[in-house]
Amino acid sequence: QVQLQESGPGLVKPSQTLSLTCTVSGGSISSGNYFWSWVRQHPGKGLEWIGYISDSGTTHYNPSLKSRVTISVDKSKNLFSLTLSSVTAADTAMYYCARDVAGGSFLDYWGQGTLVTVSS
Amino acid sequence: EMVMTQSPATLSVSPGERVTLSCRASQSVSTSLAWYQMKPGQAPRLLIFGASTRATGIPARFSGSGSGTEFTLTISSLQSEDFAVYYCQQYNNWPPYTFGQGTKLEIK
Repeated sequence: QVQLQESGPGLVKPSQTLSLTCTVSGGSISSGNYFWSWVRQHPGKGLEWIGYISDSGTTHYNPSLKSRVTISVDKSKNLFSLTLSSVTAADTAMYYCARDVAGGSFLDYWGQGTLVTVSS
Repeated sequence: EMVMTQSPATLSVSPGERVTLSCRASQSVSTSLAWYQMKPGQAPRLLIFGASTRATGIPARFSGSGSGTEFTLTISSLQSEDFAVYYCQQYNNWPPYTFGQGTKLEIK
């Protein structure tokens, strides 16, 4: 069974760059026609899709975050990463990584999430 | 951007009851609609995709229906482990995928 695990700093200072990694186990990130997504949830709020990447590097981002987001993939380490630049307190959220079944589809496996707080 | 509206925000129910959660899209999403279950400290769980197809390992008490703009998730007989927050997600008009604000099932 595929498992995803987020990792990264839990505290980021305003104006700095948030960087998270999602390690995939139980399957290769390159196997199948899968895409790899990031989703976040602000405290007490709903879910916001950030973007996804394919194993070949094709990306799609949420237009509301596109100018600040980069998602990358490292097939040799079976992981993908999120960077979000120029963060503010509004970026404080639980960040989840998830597997997208086909790109433009639903998310069938998720990580448990990692809380990132933006504060000085 | 497609807006997904879930109702009610909170539902107080007793174990064994049948519950129906609603999700409405601001425009048609055909059947490109998924439902997820979220519990604190756990990975979100895919329940339903394609509006009505249960994901692998999901009990038969969960069922989804609808198309276009109106969707429902029904739990036929609530078990204790079903008390959670449920989200719908559309993937017909993207980017971005959009989610509803969630419905919290709490014990009456």
